[in-house]
Amino acid sequence: DTEVTQTPKHLVMGMTNKKSLKCEQHMGHRAMYWYKQKAKKPPELMFVYSYEKLSINESVPSRFSPECPNSSLLNLHLHALQPEDSALYLCASSLGDTQYFGPGTRLTVL
Amino acid sequence: AQKITQTQPGMFVQEKEAVTLDCTYDTSDQSYGLFWYKQPSSGEMIFLIYQGSYDEQNATEGRYSLNFQKARKSANLVISASQLGDSAMYFCAMRGSYNNNDMRFGAGTRLTVKP
Repeated sequence: DTEVTQTPKHLVMGMTNKKSLKCEQHMGHRAMYWYKQKAKKPPELMFVYSYEKLSINESVPSRFSPECPNSSLLNLHLHALQPEDSALYLCASSLGDTQYFGPGTRLTVL
Repeated sequence: AQKITQTQPGMFVQEKEAVTLDCTYDTSDQSYGLFWYKQPSSGEMIFLIYQGSYDEQNATEGRYSLNFQKARKSANLVISASQLGDSAMYFCAMRGSYNNNDMRFGAGTRLTVKP
């Protein structure tokens, strides 16, 4: 089973809202990732958690706040986003070399 | 720094024929991994195939094979017997040895399978 789940599938929010994206995996993977993907572009790495500790932050604005409450869960807290933050947000997890992705959350910021 | 290049923005293939999607890379790492992912219009990134830099044999997974030419720094994906469901965006990706949680993607190739 290589399933990574993400909720919600779609999210529309205003620039003053606070919302969270959730990612879950039960494969025992110890690394989890957030990517941002704009239309017709490849995914761009945002954050990496390894053994529940933040190991990579690709200079992401502070309006994006990741959280890893346990080894199975990864959240992305959103606050005061801009319209240009509208994108597909993908979560992934890995144990060894291969990253397995969830279906993504399509975020629209109005 | 690692760099992945996919020079084919779009490709067309007739159903049941084979197609090759090109990928070249640049890295100073001795140990690295190369990946291909498929992304249908639904958005999910589906892992297809992996090749390690020290693997002597080309990777194969069902109808997918990876034509790995280390000296040329190329890792082309070959899809045999194309099906309509193969129509999607295909990304080549690489992770290096220094920080193997850091994976970078090429620009992608949109494959369209014609009936």
